[in-house]
Amino acid sequence: GAVVSQHPSRVICKSGTSVKIECRSLDFQATTMFWYRQFPKQSLMLMATSNEGSKATYEQGVEKDKFLINHASLTLSTLTVTSAHPEDSSFYICSAKRETQYFGPGTRLLVL
Amino acid sequence: KQEVTQIPAALSVPEGENLVLNCSFTDSAIYNLQWFRQDPGKGLTSLLLIQSSQREQTSGRLNASLDKSSGRSTLYIAASQPGDSATYLCAVPISSNTGKLIFGQGTTLQVKP
Repeated sequence: GAVVSQHPSRVICKSGTSVKIECRSLDFQATTMFWYRQFPKQSLMLMATSNEGSKATYEQGVEKDKFLINHASLTLSTLTVTSAHPEDSSFYICSAKRETQYFGPGTRLLVL
Repeated sequence: KQEVTQIPAALSVPEGENLVLNCSFTDSAIYNLQWFRQDPGKGLTSLLLIQSSQREQTSGRLNASLDKSSGRSTLYIAASQPGDSATYLCAVPISSNTGKLIFGQGTTLQVKP
């Protein structure tokens, strides 16, 4: 099956810093990728749709200036959490769309 | 607005039991329904995808059914094994062409040896 990778798998940062998470489709080109957020013992919540070559579209309640998304190529989307705070600590998962969605392994972010 | 609900939230069974996980959705006009498995701290693995025109899909010991009219899907796991322990999530797309998914809260399954 298709493979989607995320980097890093785990990151700890200080409050106020920015963190970049990469999502790569390893064996196919994806014009559309999705970013989800998952709090402990809760389900995935869609944050935004990342479109190659155009601006991302954000779900209601998600701050676009807080969560910067760049989809510069057909195999890479990045999510930058700017000025991270402890409440941003979460599990971030990306997916890439082909005939179905293929999910990355997730990135655990802990903001101290 | 589509809402997806999974019951129970957690389930513990002895090894070898057959079990059923439930997923319900409020808007029956779905294009497909997908079941995923998530191991602790990991991403999602797609298990089964049922198109709206299908009634069920099978893969090994897993069988997923879909009843659009009643807004329900079930995931049947036969002869459960400790390795089946994980969280199972169902999801439906918001529309046919966006790829956006709405997830249920998940059922965390523990299969005891």
